[in-house]
Amino acid sequence: QQQVKQSPQSLIVQKGGISIINCAYENTAFDYFPWYQQFPGKGPALLIAIRPDVSEKKEGRFTISFNKSAKQFSLHIMDSQPGDSATYFCAATSDTGANNLFFGTGTRLTVIP
Amino acid sequence: DSGVTQTPKHLITATGQRVTLRCSPRSGDLSVYWYQQSLDQGLQFLIQYYNGEERAKGNILERFSAQQFPDLHSELNLSSLELGDSALYFCASSVGASYGYTFGSGTRLTVV
Repeated sequence: QQQVKQSPQSLIVQKGGISIINCAYENTAFDYFPWYQQFPGKGPALLIAIRPDVSEKKEGRFTISFNKSAKQFSLHIMDSQPGDSATYFCAATSDTGANNLFFGTGTRLTVIP
Repeated sequence: DSGVTQTPKHLITATGQRVTLRCSPRSGDLSVYWYQQSLDQGLQFLIQYYNGEERAKGNILERFSAQQFPDLHSELNLSSLELGDSALYFCASSVGASYGYTFGSGTRLTVV
């Protein structure tokens, strides 16, 4: 069972546009929601993360929007650049239990000049 | 450099063989996680160790095994290799999942 569902699978955006990737979860115990960015042949790297006590977190052009009641969170990339072309993974975990990160299936973003 | 070191970076081996992948976690991290990523696929969780003990198992085949040593480095052993085992294998470490994982640069395994 997929603990975190991510969409879309792939996304093509024009340079300067807004990229939006969505994730949904079921486990209400989740309390940490990171996003990872992966370039081809490289390991995923932590991009930005949010905890459920806030509804939005912004770091530069990257923003996480969090909707606790809907159990959804999304990544917005403003002014998308060709260098943002990568695969993005959302994830979720809680401090209880095995304390594993549950990853979404990934979104391949392509930003065209 | 993420602080998580994986060796070797590339490995080419024949079907039926056995290989060992090594991971040194970031200093201070007690947890080590192994993931498999096949071409254009997501991250498949294999196994987690915490301070030398197995903590959680994912979709790890019986032909695969892992361990974490007292110095906290970890090894993933893959045996009776099949063509379908060709993939990127990532190790990640953390002080706790709620503080994020730090991934290594991976080992690319090619089985021919």
